[in-house]
Amino acid sequence: EIVMTQSPATQSVSPGETATLSCRASQSVSNNLVWYQQKPGQPPRLLIFRTSTRATGVPVRFSGSGSGTEFTLTISSLQSEDFAVYYCQHYNNWPLTFGGGTKVEFK
Amino acid sequence: EVQLVESGGGLVQPGGSLRLSCAASGFTFSNYEMNWVRQAPGKGLEWVSHISSSGTTIYSADSVKGRFTISRDNAKNSVFLQMNSLRAEDTAVYYCARDWGFTDIWGLGTMVVVSS
Repeated sequence: EIVMTQSPATQSVSPGETATLSCRASQSVSNNLVWYQQKPGQPPRLLIFRTSTRATGVPVRFSGSGSGTEFTLTISSLQSEDFAVYYCQHYNNWPLTFGGGTKVEFK
Repeated sequence: EVQLVESGGGLVQPGGSLRLSCAASGFTFSNYEMNWVRQAPGKGLEWVSHISSSGTTIYSADSVKGRFTISRDNAKNSVFLQMNSLRAEDTAVYYCARDWGFTDIWGLGTMVVVSS
């Protein structure tokens, strides 16, 4: 089983600033990685697939990068609606596994 | 509009059973693989089970293997999760989600509480 580790657990950011979220896989997942955003009481929302491709309707301020075992989600010019929990997940093989999440909170 | 609607959750005693259903609409259900993913209260996401578009290939997490069974009925645009021998640690919101290599569309979830 591939273990996904996200850091930091919480990131305090002011609106307009940039948030940089990290995700590390215990072994290579190639570029088979997605990022989700989840707000309280809602299901996860797909943001990024295949490491760096934005899903339909996702603002350009969200960008993904990386390959192999190291991945990054960057949220530029943070907006109020971006405060949420973000999860990475690989889909390279079975079982699918998620990172523990990074909460982006208001500073 | 693409939509997934889960049902069947509720309160069940340890050792009991529940059958979750997920009704799909707005897309050609038979073309897509499907997943169940769960989230315990205040915790992260955990993949539970996967079924291929035809229903012939199934994968399940070790934590539920032998207890949970995923199935689908393409004629009814539905996927199911039969949950037996339930434990307290199975308490969670259960989401069904569409899979086309990765999970893109999620339902709102159904809550399962295992408690005496």
